[in-house]
Amino acid sequence: EVQLVESGGVVAQPGGSLRLSCAASGFTFDDYTMHWVRQAPGKGLEWVSLISWDGNRIYYADSVRGRFTISRDNSKNSLYLQMNSLRTEDTALYYCTKGLGMELGDPFNIWGQGTMVTVSS
Amino acid sequence: SDVLTQPPSVSVAPGKTARITCGGDNIGSESVHWYQQKPGQAPVLVMYYDRDRPSGIPERFSGSNSGNTATLTISRVEAGDEADYYCQVWDGGSDHPAVFGGGTKLTVL
Repeated sequence: EVQLVESGGVVAQPGGSLRLSCAASGFTFDDYTMHWVRQAPGKGLEWVSLISWDGNRIYYADSVRGRFTISRDNSKNSLYLQMNSLRTEDTALYYCTKGLGMELGDPFNIWGQGTMVTVSS
Repeated sequence: SDVLTQPPSVSVAPGKTARITCGGDNIGSESVHWYQQKPGQAPVLVMYYDRDRPSGIPERFSGSNSGNTATLTISRVEAGDEADYYCQVWDGGSDHPAVFGGGTKLTVL
């Protein structure tokens, strides 16, 4: 079974740091582009970042560029999101998602259940 | 398209046809994907590359894209189709290439 399981979401203070992880199973992890997408409480979906299958191409949303860093470890079938300089507006459910294929523009065909990040003093 | 515009809500009676639109500047030149999200659940891909259905998605779901509007059409709407629907595009020329629309709440009357 194809599965993505996120972890690392906690309550953090503004200005703090956090690292999210996503464990992948059931597919050949290093064949696919991976993404983080977030959803603030009661709000819509917001794409956050992507990393190509080989880690060589990385993109960020304007709202997180310079503060968040996406990475992957293909030997561990894992995706990460290092979140620094946290702001209250980063409060959201963070989803790990898998691209349909190797192309960066492929849709997100598998989603985890998300991990909740709350930024509050 | 940097901005994708969806109607906040669409209402339809069971058995009728629902059309959910996604507006963007020349969106017809881009590939549009659609996601369904039910309360408390992760999104599910229901349409990709404008008009392709993933396996397991009923044939009642169809998609089109032309000009400044992409449309997700749900025929013979059922109560189980009630959900939020999001369009998404990929702009490879942008440094923030993936964009979601604001979402549309489909209510089955």
